Amino acid sequence: GQSLEQPSEVTAVEGAIVQINCTYQTSGFYGLSWYQQHDGGAPTFLSYNALDGLEETGRFSSFLSRSDSYGYLLLQELQMKDSASYFCAVSGSNDYKLSFGAGTTVTVRA
Amino acid sequence: DADVTQTPRNRITKTGKRIMLECSQTKGHDRMYWYRQDPGLGLRLIYYSFDVKDINKGEISDGYSVSRQAQAKFSLSLESAIPNQTALYFCATSDPYQETQYFGPGTRLLVL
Repeated sequence: GQSLEQPSEVTAVEGAIVQINCTYQTSGFYGLSWYQQHDGGAPTFLSYNALDGLEETGRFSSFLSRSDSYGYLLLQELQMKDSASYFCAVSGSNDYKLSFGAGTTVTVRA
Repeated sequence: DADVTQTPRNRITKTGKRIMLECSQTKGHDRMYWYRQDPGLGLRLIYYSFDVKDINKGEISDGYSVSRQAQAKFSLSLESAIPNQTALYFCATSDPYQETQYFGPGTRLLVL
């Protein structure tokens, strides 16, 4: 089975940097994804890491260390619109079926 | 128009009733998924289908059934609804061998 841990809440001010950590225990591992969900809305894809290292997409970056079973999502230059829940999700095999973490609620304050 | 649609968007039903949630997609994807979301528990996979003739149970399939009527349509049924099935239900689609899943807007279900 799959088990993922991420912090439940993070609060930061506009312009700050937030790092959301995700540790996982899986019977197999193919990749780590991140999704964003605004309150009551549909989750939307942010990033995917299959190999160790940092992937950068605009203000958001995602990191993976396969040897440590660990990844993080980095949110830079925080904006009010970044207030949302962020989920890490593991693909246990190359079928890309996902197991999700419980989510981290990010609150951005002025 | 939205690529992944779900109907109804909100539903209130009573314990013991049979209900169906429907999902349609125009993305042309073979793979479709049903998830439920409960506060503090993230998204949990109920059923998934990798093509019209392929249906698989997810981690929480008890009390649910599905039907893949066509490549574009995937329905979730609650044969006899119970209050702990009150949740937000999402349908999602993906291309084979692609990591991105595309989610519908969700159906908020309340079972009284």
